[in-house]
Amino acid sequence: QQQVKQSPQSLIVQKGGISIINCAYENTAFDYFPWYQQFPGKGPALLIAIRPDVSEKKEGRFTISFNKSAKQFSLHIMDSQPGDSATYFCAASLADRGSTLGRLYFGRGTQLTVWP
Amino acid sequence: NAGVTQTPKFRVLKTGQSMTLLCAQDMNHEYMYWYRQDPGMGLRLIHYSVGEGTTAKGEVPDGYNVSRLKKQNFLLGLESAAPSQTSVYFCASAPGTGRGVNQPQHFGDGTRLSIL
Repeated sequence: QQQVKQSPQSLIVQKGGISIINCAYENTAFDYFPWYQQFPGKGPALLIAIRPDVSEKKEGRFTISFNKSAKQFSLHIMDSQPGDSATYFCAASLADRGSTLGRLYFGRGTQLTVWP
Repeated sequence: NAGVTQTPKFRVLKTGQSMTLLCAQDMNHEYMYWYRQDPGMGLRLIHYSVGEGTTAKGEVPDGYNVSRLKKQNFLLGLESAAPSQTSVYFCASAPGTGRGVNQPQHFGDGTRLSIL
Protein backbone atom coordinates (compact mmCIF):
# COMPACT_ATOMS: atom_id res chain seq x y z
CA GLN A 1 0.00 0.00 0.00
CA GLN A 2 1.43 3.32 -1.05
CA GLN A 3 1.84 5.54 2.01
CA VAL A 4 2.14 8.82 0.11
CA LYS A 5 0.28 9.57 -3.10
CA GLN A 6 1.60 12.32 -5.40
CA SER A 7 0.06 14.09 -8.36
CA PRO A 8 0.40 15.01 -11.14
CA GLN A 9 2.95 12.62 -12.62
CA SER A 10 4.13 15.34 -14.99
CA LEU A 11 3.63 19.08 -15.19
CA ILE A 12 4.42 21.66 -17.85
CA VAL A 13 4.44 25.31 -16.85
CA GLN A 14 5.30 28.51 -18.65
CA LYS A 15 8.18 30.58 -17.34
CA GLY A 16 6.91 32.94 -14.66
CA GLY A 17 3.93 30.76 -13.85
CA ILE A 18 3.05 28.89 -10.66
CA SER A 19 3.82 25.18 -10.37
CA ILE A 20 1.68 23.19 -7.94
CA ILE A 21 2.33 19.60 -6.88
CA ASN A 22 0.02 17.79 -4.49
CA CYS A 23 0.51 14.94 -2.06
CA ALA A 24 -1.81 13.01 0.24
CA TYR A 25 -1.09 10.61 3.08
CA GLU A 26 -3.03 8.23 5.31
CA ASN A 27 -0.92 7.70 8.41
CA THR A 28 -1.80 10.43 10.92
CA ALA A 29 1.35 9.58 12.87
CA PHE A 30 3.56 11.13 10.20
CA ASP A 31 5.15 14.27 11.58
CA TYR A 32 7.74 15.36 9.04
CA PHE A 33 7.02 16.21 5.41
CA PRO A 34 10.00 17.02 3.18
CA TRP A 35 10.17 17.77 -0.51
CA TYR A 36 13.13 16.62 -2.56
CA GLN A 37 14.33 17.97 -5.92
CA GLN A 38 16.20 15.75 -8.35
CA PHE A 39 18.03 16.80 -11.51
CA PRO A 40 18.90 14.25 -14.22
CA GLY A 41 21.91 12.15 -13.29
CA LYS A 42 21.91 13.38 -9.70
CA GLY A 43 20.56 12.19 -6.40
CA PRO A 44 17.56 13.83 -4.70
CA ALA A 45 18.35 16.88 -2.60
CA LEU A 46 16.24 18.32 0.19
CA LEU A 47 14.35 21.38 -1.03
CA ILE A 48 12.06 22.33 1.85
CA ALA A 49 10.32 20.56 4.73
CA ILE A 50 7.43 21.18 7.10
CA ARG A 51 6.09 19.78 10.36
CA PRO A 52 2.34 19.39 11.01
CA ASP A 53 2.18 22.11 13.65
CA VAL A 54 2.29 24.81 10.95
CA SER A 55 0.07 25.30 7.90
CA GLU A 56 2.60 26.95 5.61
CA LYS A 57 6.33 27.32 5.18
CA LYS A 58 8.00 29.57 2.64
CA GLU A 59 11.58 29.62 1.45
CA GLY A 60 12.20 32.01 -1.40
CA ARG A 61 9.98 31.01 -4.33
CA PHE A 62 9.09 27.66 -2.75
CA THR A 63 6.13 27.24 -0.39
CA ILE A 64 4.68 24.19 1.32
CA SER A 65 0.99 24.35 2.22
CA PHE A 66 -0.13 21.80 4.79
CA ASN A 67 -3.72 20.75 5.55
CA LYS A 68 -3.67 18.43 8.55
CA SER A 69 -7.40 17.71 8.59
CA ALA A 70 -7.41 16.72 4.92
CA LYS A 71 -4.08 14.88 5.24
CA GLN A 72 -2.74 16.73 2.25
CA PHE A 73 0.25 18.93 1.53
CA SER A 74 1.43 20.69 -1.58
CA LEU A 75 4.45 22.41 -3.05
CA HIS A 76 4.01 25.74 -4.79
CA ILE A 77 6.78 27.15 -6.96
CA MET A 78 6.20 30.83 -7.67
CA ASP A 79 7.67 32.55 -10.73
CA SER A 80 8.77 29.19 -12.13
CA GLN A 81 12.06 29.24 -14.05
CA PRO A 82 13.58 26.86 -16.62
CA GLY A 83 16.20 26.00 -14.00
CA ASP A 84 13.41 24.58 -11.83
CA SER A 85 12.86 21.81 -14.40
CA ALA A 86 13.47 18.65 -12.40
CA THR A 87 11.68 15.76 -10.72
CA TYR A 88 10.09 16.59 -7.38
CA PHE A 89 9.33 14.04 -4.68
CA CYS A 90 7.20 14.54 -1.62
CA ALA A 91 7.81 12.33 1.37
CA ALA A 92 6.56 11.69 4.88
CA SER A 93 8.18 10.32 7.98
CA LEU A 94 7.40 9.21 11.48
CA ALA A 95 9.36 10.76 14.30
CA ASP A 96 12.95 9.56 14.56
CA ARG A 97 12.55 7.42 17.66
CA GLY A 98 13.87 3.90 18.17
CA SER A 99 12.45 1.50 15.61
CA THR A 100 10.93 4.14 13.31
CA LEU A 101 14.38 5.56 12.52
CA GLY A 102 13.06 8.57 10.67
CA ARG A 103 12.28 6.36 7.69
CA LEU A 104 10.99 8.29 4.67
CA TYR A 105 8.04 7.18 2.55
CA PHE A 106 8.24 8.78 -0.90
CA GLY A 107 5.62 9.74 -3.43
CA ARG A 108 6.21 8.56 -6.98
CA GLY A 109 7.48 11.88 -8.23
CA THR A 110 6.42 14.72 -10.52
CA GLN A 111 8.47 15.64 -13.56
CA LEU A 112 8.28 19.42 -13.91
CA THR A 113 9.17 21.16 -17.18
CA VAL A 114 9.27 24.95 -17.28
CA TRP A 115 9.18 26.37 -20.79
CA PRO A 116 11.09 29.62 -21.44
CA ASN B 1 33.36 17.56 1.95
CA ALA B 2 32.43 14.80 -0.48
CA GLY B 3 29.14 13.96 1.31
CA VAL B 4 27.82 10.62 0.08
CA THR B 5 29.90 8.83 -2.56
CA GLN B 6 28.66 5.81 -4.49
CA THR B 7 30.85 3.37 -6.40
CA PRO B 8 30.59 2.43 -9.23
CA LYS B 9 28.52 4.97 -11.17
CA PHE B 10 27.56 2.53 -13.94
CA ARG B 11 27.64 -1.23 -14.30
CA VAL B 12 26.33 -3.85 -16.69
CA LEU B 13 25.92 -7.39 -15.41
CA LYS B 14 24.77 -10.67 -16.83
CA THR B 15 21.96 -12.60 -15.18
CA GLY B 16 23.30 -14.68 -12.32
CA GLN B 17 26.42 -12.62 -11.69
CA SER B 18 27.07 -11.06 -8.32
CA MET B 19 28.32 -7.65 -7.37
CA THR B 20 28.63 -5.20 -4.50
CA LEU B 21 27.71 -1.54 -4.53
CA LEU B 22 29.66 0.66 -2.17
CA CYS B 23 28.40 3.73 -0.33
CA ALA B 24 30.70 5.93 1.71
CA GLN B 25 29.79 9.02 3.75
CA ASP B 26 32.13 11.45 5.48
CA MET B 27 29.57 13.27 7.63
CA ASN B 28 29.75 10.90 10.62
CA HIS B 29 26.08 10.03 10.14
CA GLU B 30 24.52 7.19 12.12
CA TYR B 31 21.78 6.20 9.70
CA MET B 32 22.31 4.93 6.18
CA TYR B 33 19.85 3.76 3.55
CA TRP B 34 19.74 1.99 0.19
CA TYR B 35 16.95 2.85 -2.27
CA ARG B 36 16.12 1.81 -5.77
CA GLN B 37 14.51 4.19 -8.23
CA ASP B 38 12.44 2.92 -11.14
CA PRO B 39 10.42 5.00 -13.62
CA GLY B 40 7.06 5.98 -12.16
CA MET B 41 7.77 4.19 -8.88
CA GLY B 42 9.57 6.83 -6.87
CA LEU B 43 12.21 5.76 -4.37
CA ARG B 44 11.72 2.46 -2.60
CA LEU B 45 13.70 1.49 0.47
CA ILE B 46 15.68 -1.73 0.16
CA HIS B 47 17.64 -1.95 3.44
CA TYR B 48 18.79 0.48 6.06
CA SER B 49 21.11 0.73 9.05
CA VAL B 50 20.89 2.67 12.30
CA GLY B 51 24.53 2.23 13.18
CA GLU B 52 27.70 0.25 12.71
CA GLY B 53 27.01 -3.47 12.76
CA THR B 54 23.22 -3.14 12.41
CA THR B 55 20.99 -3.61 9.37
CA ALA B 56 17.26 -3.99 8.73
CA LYS B 57 14.91 -4.74 5.86
CA GLY B 58 13.00 -2.03 4.06
CA GLU B 59 10.16 -2.20 1.58
CA VAL B 60 11.80 -4.30 -1.19
CA PRO B 61 14.64 -6.36 0.39
CA ASP B 62 14.37 -9.60 -1.60
CA GLY B 63 17.44 -10.45 -3.67
CA TYR B 64 19.69 -8.02 -1.80
CA ASN B 65 21.98 -8.20 1.21
CA VAL B 66 23.76 -5.42 3.08
CA SER B 67 26.55 -4.96 5.54
CA ARG B 68 27.75 -2.09 7.69
CA LEU B 69 31.07 -3.11 9.16
CA LYS B 70 32.28 0.49 9.44
CA LYS B 71 30.18 3.51 10.35
CA GLN B 72 31.10 5.37 7.17
CA ASN B 73 30.41 2.52 4.73
CA PHE B 74 27.23 0.72 3.70
CA LEU B 75 27.48 -2.09 1.15
CA LEU B 76 24.67 -3.45 -0.99
CA GLY B 77 25.15 -6.90 -2.47
CA LEU B 78 23.38 -8.74 -5.26
CA GLU B 79 24.18 -12.43 -4.94
CA SER B 80 22.59 -13.57 -8.21
CA ALA B 81 21.53 -10.65 -10.37
CA ALA B 82 18.18 -10.76 -12.17
CA PRO B 83 16.85 -8.48 -14.95
CA SER B 84 14.20 -7.20 -12.50
CA GLN B 85 17.02 -5.62 -10.51
CA THR B 86 17.88 -3.29 -13.37
CA SER B 87 17.49 0.08 -11.71
CA VAL B 88 19.19 3.17 -10.38
CA TYR B 89 20.39 2.62 -6.83
CA PHE B 90 20.74 5.48 -4.38
CA CYS B 91 22.44 5.54 -1.04
CA ALA B 92 21.53 8.11 1.60
CA SER B 93 22.65 9.00 5.10
CA ALA B 94 21.20 11.00 7.98
CA PRO B 95 22.51 12.10 11.38
CA GLY B 96 19.87 10.07 13.22
CA THR B 97 19.39 11.51 16.68
CA GLY B 98 16.82 8.94 17.81
CA ARG B 99 15.31 11.68 19.95
CA GLY B 100 12.22 12.41 17.89
CA VAL B 101 13.70 15.10 15.67
CA ASN B 102 13.90 14.17 12.00
CA GLN B 103 17.00 15.12 10.13
CA PRO B 104 17.20 15.37 6.33
CA GLN B 105 18.66 12.52 4.35
CA HIS B 106 21.64 13.25 2.12
CA PHE B 107 21.79 11.30 -1.13
CA GLY B 108 24.61 10.16 -3.37
CA ASP B 109 24.39 10.51 -7.15
CA GLY B 110 23.42 6.91 -7.75
CA THR B 111 24.64 3.74 -9.42
CA ARG B 112 23.02 2.85 -12.73
CA LEU B 113 22.83 -0.91 -12.94
CA SER B 114 21.72 -2.88 -16.01
CA ILE B 115 21.28 -6.63 -15.89
CA LEU B 116 21.08 -8.46 -19.18
